Amino acid sequence: EVQLVQSGAEVKKPGESLKIFCKGSGYRFTTYWIGWVRQMPGKGLEWMGIIDPADSETRYSPSFQGQVTISADKSISTAYLHWSSLKASDTAIYYCARRPGESNFDYWGQGTLVTVSS
Amino acid sequence: QSALTQPASVPGSPGQSITISCTGSSSDIGGSNYVSWYQQYPGKAPKLMIYDVNHRPSGVSDRFSGSKSGNTASLTISGLQAEDEADYYCFSDISSSTLEVFGTGTKVTVL
Repeated sequence: EVQLVQSGAEVKKPGESLKIFCKGSGYRFTTYWIGWVRQMPGKGLEWMGIIDPADSETRYSPSFQGQVTISADKSISTAYLHWSSLKASDTAIYYCARRPGESNFDYWGQGTLVTVSS
Repeated sequence: QSALTQPASVPGSPGQSITISCTGSSSDIGGSNYVSWYQQYPGKAPKLMIYDVNHRPSGVSDRFSGSKSGNTASLTISGLQAEDEADYYCFSDISSSTLEVFGTGTKVTVL
């Protein structure tokens, strides 16, 4: 069974760093790209970027380029989303999802709620 | 890149058919064969309903269908049921780049 399991909810202060993870199982992790999607409270889905776990090639939305870093460790079938300095506006649910083809996500993680507050 | 434009809400009665539009440009939907649609219940992760404009994943009801004309993609739900009440998002690649974009989202309400 294909599963993407994400790390648990986080509460952080502005300026702190954070790395959340997305662990894949039930399939060959290096076969499909992984994407990250943000959903701010009460708002819609936003495409942040994608990574090819096979070679760590990444593509970022201009809105998120320089704000976050997407990485992956194929040896442990895990993708990451990292912030070096969080802002209150980073408060959101972050989803990872498997990208089996062009522009679609077939399996999704359960989401990680990140709350940034002083 | 700007989000694709969807109506904020679409109401419907049980048994009725409704259509949700997703309007972009020649740079995304108009130039793409890779439009997908997602259903999201409150507090839950999105679920893929349609991919590659009009293909249904295994397990998705055939009451859901997708199409595209010009710069607008559409999701049609036939025989509307109470369980279809959810948010729906379209998604497309941007053909002039390696980027992708979601629609603004539509809340389907079953009256």
